[in-house]
Amino acid sequence: GESVGLHLPTLSVQEGDNSIINCAYSNSASDYFIWYKQESGKGPQFIIDIRSNMDKRQGQRVTVLLNKTVKHLSLQIAATQPGDSAVYFCAENIGQGAQKLVFGQGTRLTINP
Amino acid sequence: DAGVIQSPRHEVTEMGQEVTLRCKPISGHNSLFWYRQTMMRGLELLIYFNNNVPIDDSGMPEDRFSAKMPNASFSTLKIQPSEPRDSAVYFCASSLGGDGPLHFGNGTRLTVT
Repeated sequence: GESVGLHLPTLSVQEGDNSIINCAYSNSASDYFIWYKQESGKGPQFIIDIRSNMDKRQGQRVTVLLNKTVKHLSLQIAATQPGDSAVYFCAENIGQGAQKLVFGQGTRLTINP
Repeated sequence: DAGVIQSPRHEVTEMGQEVTLRCKPISGHNSLFWYRQTMMRGLELLIYFNNNVPIDDSGMPEDRFSAKMPNASFSTLKIQPSEPRDSAVYFCASSLGGDGPLHFGNGTRLTVT
């Protein structure tokens, strides 16, 4: 999972396996959550989002789960590929109207061949 | 779709110099955001605009930082005078109003010596 600090949490997964990245968010009033993927030298890339009126949302090979009771968000990546290696950030919208996103510190995912 | 375009990609300058970072948002997006990313503090929101109007600049570190959005297709972030602690990667992002994810550029890596 994610934590505030100098060192990114890391997760190593064998190619083809499933991975789960966890995130704890802070604001119980947050109504919108996003997962981003960041590769070296690039900006964060949108993966999937979910609103607070949902518990689960699926995309292509990715699933986001939201547990509002414990303020927990997770990203599941199925059948991981080498290209999935990156830093993954969760973000919560704490603002009204236009998105005011607060990002977690990130988790580094490494896919081993 | 060209995505969010930032320039320059890299900027190296000496302490005390003025630095101007530039951003072209995705055409049709009416919200624009400036973020700063460092190892110590992660991704921090500096300021965001809605329909070219600054909405929230509470993340701007101090008066040395200023941002403008003269039209819907261009924004600048200026630091004057720059200091070594300003060294970071600065990202611009845009979104379609208050609904939907932010789309990030690939950032400007600023080094102040």
